[in-house]
Amino acid sequence: GAVVSQHPSWVICKSGTSVKIECRSLDFQATTMFWYRQFPKQSLMLMATSNEGSKATYEQGVEKDKFLINHASLTLSTLTVTSAHPEDSSFYICSARGGLAAYNEQFFGPGTRLTVL
Amino acid sequence: AQSVTQPDIHITVSEGASLELRCNYSYGATPYLFWYVQSPGQGLQLLLKYFSGDTLVQGIKGFEAEFKRSQSSFNLRKPSVHWSDAAEYFCAVGYQAGTALIFGKGTTLSVSS
Repeated sequence: GAVVSQHPSWVICKSGTSVKIECRSLDFQATTMFWYRQFPKQSLMLMATSNEGSKATYEQGVEKDKFLINHASLTLSTLTVTSAHPEDSSFYICSARGGLAAYNEQFFGPGTRLTVL
Repeated sequence: AQSVTQPDIHITVSEGASLELRCNYSYGATPYLFWYVQSPGQGLQLLLKYFSGDTLVQGIKGFEAEFKRSQSSFNLRKPSVHWSDAAEYFCAVGYQAGTALIFGKGTTLSVSS
């Protein structure tokens, strides 16, 4: 149990286009989802926290108009990178918490590698 | 500010030798503690976690970690390293229910034959 999926697993896009990444909790209801970004050979940095049915809370320095997060249901959160540029190329990882999860435990998706040309 | 420190950026261990990866956190109360492993281009795999109780925690793949409150540490150990253990290891801390984890910068483990 407690499986989180991400789609797509990798995506290549042209500069200026928008890309949507989905994060799904497959066997539990995720009241909270988190989006992290990981640059090559670096650690995971939290981008935003989203609670179902409410606006996401963004970390300092993360542009909310560029990284649109929607958590419309208890099993799905989406991250849309708008007008992507090469510096947005990164590994994006989501995690989900809730349902069967133990106290404060989060379950991570496999990540999405975004390459912007 | 709350933080997680992994002092060792890169460690090389001979196959069959023992391993200890260090992790220290800064916080007054006991946080929730995790160790994750990440292979190149892959997502995170949870090795073990500590919430409360016995301070020596057993995980998958033969790993264990010990929580030491007096040292604010949660070091990861393995008695005999295998070549397949070569990967990036992250220590992570959760301070409050419902909040995101804070990750250390990671330790790269190389295994020599």
